[in-house]
Amino acid sequence: ILNVEQSPQSLHVQEGDSTNFTCSFPSSNFYALHWYRWETAKSPEALFVMTLNGDEKKKGRISATLNTKEGYSYLYIKGSQPEDSATYLCALGGAQKLVFGQGTRLTINP
Amino acid sequence: GAGVSQTPSNKVTEKGKYVELRCDPISGHTALYWYRQSLGQGPEFLIYFQGTGAADDSGLPNDRFFAVRPEGSVSTLKIQRTERGDSAVYLCASSQRSGGGYEQYFGPGTRLTVT
Repeated sequence: ILNVEQSPQSLHVQEGDSTNFTCSFPSSNFYALHWYRWETAKSPEALFVMTLNGDEKKKGRISATLNTKEGYSYLYIKGSQPEDSATYLCALGGAQKLVFGQGTRLTINP
Repeated sequence: GAGVSQTPSNKVTEKGKYVELRCDPISGHTALYWYRQSLGQGPEFLIYFQGTGAADDSGLPNDRFFAVRPEGSVSTLKIQRTERGDSAVYLCASSQRSGGGYEQYFGPGTRLTVT
């Protein structure tokens, strides 16, 4: 059974500050790592799909890195804004399905 | 273009009743997935369709759960004799192609509450 762990479970950050959180996964038989942002009452929105060790991807103020040898990915948010408040999910992509972590709930305090 | 849609957005039902949850995937997407998110947990895989056939139903918790996709587009998740433990957000996703490296596009989910 694949185990994907995210930390911390929740995070409160002051507007304007930068933050980051972690996704850990088994390093063997790696295929792909997905990051999603899920705002309340909306659809989970895909942020990144990462497949190569050392991958770094960026979308505006959000970026992610991937280390498949040690089994972790970091998501960074620079200069947090209230609209960044959401649950951030990482998921390990296997042959077909996704295996999700429990998410990091991020709240930006104005 | 239109994204993945799910109906109803909310469903409250009594224990023991039958419910159907519908998913309309993005047009042309051949792969369709159902996930379930219980409180405090990440989404958990239920079943995956490639075209009309269920390619992997290993995540269905028991035989009260069943899903169909008769024409390779719309899918319905059916739950018989609902139990309080079935209360969760049921998410549907579609993908242009199957495979864990391809982006899955999610609907907003159906929140099921069993009283």
